[in-house]
Amino acid sequence: GESVGLHLPTLSVQEGDNSIINCAYSNSASDYFIWYKQESGKGPQFIIDIRSNMDKRQGQRVTVLLNKTVKHLSLQIAATQPGDSAVYFCAEKLSYTGNQFYFGTGTSLTVIP
Amino acid sequence: GAVVSQHPSRVICKSGTSVKIECRSLDFQATTMFWYRQFPKKSLMLMATSNEGSKATYEQGVEKDKFLINHASLTLSTLTVTSAHPEDSSFYICSATRGSATNTEAFFGQGTRLTVV
Repeated sequence: GESVGLHLPTLSVQEGDNSIINCAYSNSASDYFIWYKQESGKGPQFIIDIRSNMDKRQGQRVTVLLNKTVKHLSLQIAATQPGDSAVYFCAEKLSYTGNQFYFGTGTSLTVIP
Repeated sequence: GAVVSQHPSRVICKSGTSVKIECRSLDFQATTMFWYRQFPKKSLMLMATSNEGSKATYEQGVEKDKFLINHASLTLSTLTVTSAHPEDSSFYICSATRGSATNTEAFFGQGTRLTVV
């Protein structure tokens, strides 16, 4: 399953399928990006990060792709599990404003067992 | 990994009273911490940057007299919601960053659910 970020804030996938969550960012001066997972009533939890000098980074079951040309970021989750159900946010850090992170709208992922 | 602790996790207060929320970095020193606000089913909105030993920097539209921030030590920042009103009810989250300009890690607290009645 795949989301298109702002236009599709919810995503439902079958357990075991791959998920793709998209994020569009607006500032070309952003030099660092993080994907966070947030479960209900909890703070954001770090998933994976990527710097602007990279276009792909892989972690355990997750891959982040960065396309600076169109200012687009995606998070791919392989073999999605029920425990992956949460809201996912991308966050960007601007190169000139210190360490503040600005969050995207978020996508709610529901995994159907 | 580094841990950021927030306290309390939930608070209910009467309209007109003030509430203080604490944010601590437990195993590293944070010269800068950040406060976010989150409405239901919405994203995190950066409210202000808390700077150790100096005044906080507020984002546009955030009332500094309403949301008082104090960063008295390298491991503690506090957010005080003054004269709280029901519209201040929200989920408040703090974060602290560690590292250099080229290698920054951000850690988040577990959040504080504020309900003003």
